[in-house]
Amino acid sequence: SQQGEEDPQALSIQEGENATMNCSYKTSINNLQWYRQNSGRGLVHLILIRSNEREKHSGRLRVTLDTSKKSSSLLITASRAADTASYFCATPPRGAGGTSYGKLTFGQGTILTVHP
Amino acid sequence: EAGVAQSPRYKIIEKRQSVAFWCNPISGHATLYWYQQILGQGPKLLIQFQNNGVVDDSQLPKDRFSAERLKGVDSTLKIQPAKLEDSAVYLCASSLDGTAFGEQFFGPGTRLTVL
Repeated sequence: SQQGEEDPQALSIQEGENATMNCSYKTSINNLQWYRQNSGRGLVHLILIRSNEREKHSGRLRVTLDTSKKSSSLLITASRAADTASYFCATPPRGAGGTSYGKLTFGQGTILTVHP
Repeated sequence: EAGVAQSPRYKIIEKRQSVAFWCNPISGHATLYWYQQILGQGPKLLIQFQNNGVVDDSQLPKDRFSAERLKGVDSTLKIQPAKLEDSAVYLCASSLDGTAFGEQFFGPGTRLTVL
């Protein structure tokens, strides 16, 4: 079953605009990760936010996490055509750590199209 | 640093035939994962190895799927016999230690079409 649900399913914007996509999850987590997938580079890890963090930045990416609402958002600022891809949130099962907790449960993804 | 390698990149077979996929993880990565990604969905974990031992295969359809990781390095995933619903991209990933905070590195995937 899918742990995360991304919203919207598809997003189309112009280059230079900001893109925001949201993820909701069902069970308690110790971190939430965002991945990007395109035909050129496959599935690539973008950023990880821990459950005790509320916001994290990496370049043009900004991720927020609200554990009370079980939701996260990914903001891409000043988007480029190269940002065109599918974006997934993914969560590992909550636990004390250890090898069995590395597996990720992915959402359905948001398809982002950035027009030049 | 070399990434995760997978082969073949594409495979087309008839239903009821068998097929095998190969994965070579990043050197030194103890944990290896196989995911299945059906068109329009996110990847779903099939099996996780720590070195050459299985730590999670709860979502692997064991009546037709099998996987092994000999010597704790390369891995093969086999489907026998294949069904139409097995059409998907099979992704291999590896991570340094398999913890919840470890980044997973994905290979390019094998796109399987079952006719």
